[in-house]
Amino acid sequence: DIQMTQSPSSLSASVGDRVTITCRASQSISIHLNWYQQKPGKAPKLLIYAASNLQSGVPSRFTGSGSGTDFSLTISSLQPDDFATYYCQQSYSSPLYTFGPGTKVEIK
Amino acid sequence: QGQLVQSGAEVKKPGSSVKVSCTASEDIFTSYSIAWVRQAPGQGLDWVGRIIPNLGTINYAQKFQDRVTLTADDSTSTTYMELRSLTSADTGVYYCAREALTGFGVVTLAYWGQGALVTVSS
Repeated sequence: DIQMTQSPSSLSASVGDRVTITCRASQSISIHLNWYQQKPGKAPKLLIYAASNLQSGVPSRFTGSGSGTDFSLTISSLQPDDFATYYCQQSYSSPLYTFGPGTKVEIK
Repeated sequence: QGQLVQSGAEVKKPGSSVKVSCTASEDIFTSYSIAWVRQAPGQGLDWVGRIIPNLGTINYAQKFQDRVTLTADDSTSTTYMELRSLTSADTGVYYCAREALTGFGVVTLAYWGQGALVTVSS
């Protein structure tokens, strides 16, 4: 099975900060990597697909990069609506998907 | 577009079973696959399995495959997830989500149901 790790597990940041979350796969997954945002009590929301492509309707301050085993999600200027938990997910071994453990972004 | 509506919260005794439903608009039910994902309280996302209703194709995660059954009812555009032999560790929110294949050949979970809370308690 492909294992996914994320770092950090949590971070505190201020509005306007630049934030980067990393995700690593236990083997190469090419660009089969998606990012989701989840707020408390809500279903996850797709932000980035195929490593670097912005889902329709998602603000351009979110960018994704990477391929192979190492990926990152960057929020260029953190906004109040961005405080949430972020998950990466590999779909290389579709349909046997795995998610990363999540990164909680909190207000500093 | 792509709306998924799930059944309500359930409280179950240990050792019993639960069946959660996910009703889709007809356009996505017949054309796409539906995945199920579990989230234990305060924890991350755990893929349970997926079903392609119009093909009858079903896949399960290894950790659930002995206790879970996914089914589909074409007449009501509804998929079901039944989990048996419940323990307190099965407490959590169960989501259904529609798979979508992007132009890059990468599958995403683009649309999600609202989630169904299952509480297992004696």
